[in-house]
Amino acid sequence: AQKITQTQPGMFVQEKEAVTLDCTYDTSDPSYGLFWYKQPSSGEMIFLIYQGSYDQQNATEGRYSLNFQKARKSANLVISASQLGDSAMYFCAMREGLYNFNKFYFGSGTKLNVKP
Amino acid sequence: GAGVSQSPSNKVTEKGKDVELRCDPISGHTALYWYRQSLGQGLEFLIYFQGNSAPDKSGLPSDRFSAERTGGSVSTLTIQRTQQEDSAVYLCASSLRDSLYEQYFGPGTRLTVT
Repeated sequence: AQKITQTQPGMFVQEKEAVTLDCTYDTSDPSYGLFWYKQPSSGEMIFLIYQGSYDQQNATEGRYSLNFQKARKSANLVISASQLGDSAMYFCAMREGLYNFNKFYFGSGTKLNVKP
Repeated sequence: GAGVSQSPSNKVTEKGKDVELRCDPISGHTALYWYRQSLGQGLEFLIYFQGNSAPDKSGLPSDRFSAERTGGSVSTLTIQRTQQEDSAVYLCASSLRDSLYEQYFGPGTRLTVT
């Protein structure tokens, strides 16, 4: 079974609108971390936001927030007030076990295009 | 400060040749990861180094792939007898030992096997 599933290969959003990128995960480990990364056309992976499995509140970082629904095993990324510079690939990732640095799984990504 | 650097940025090689890809992690980062990203795909974990511990090689796809890390810093990923299916972007990342979440990625090496 896929550890991380991103069902939206591509999405469009109008500039200044909010957009939600979907991510579901699969683990039986009670301790895990969820991540979102942005990959612009330049290729570098940029860390955006992190949510721990024991965190009670949804993580937020500026215009990024993570809608964490533990029972549904979903960790959707919400980008508010989209900007043209947000156009990129977005990857959801999971680390199983808080201290298992090597167990890191990535989804297949969602390509976001922000329209002016 | 300097980020993670990788060289070369692009490599074109003929099928059957060996290639070496280099990664310079951020100074002081003890954890180093190699990933492979095929076209249109997510990242596939290859290998993980932590300090002087034995590396986790569980992600290496075949025995043609190997990696080493000298002096706990620079790492080299070697692919022997390259095949066309090895064509991908190879990404290196590093992190602090006690960092729960933040990996810093390099720009990657785009490998094309003809």
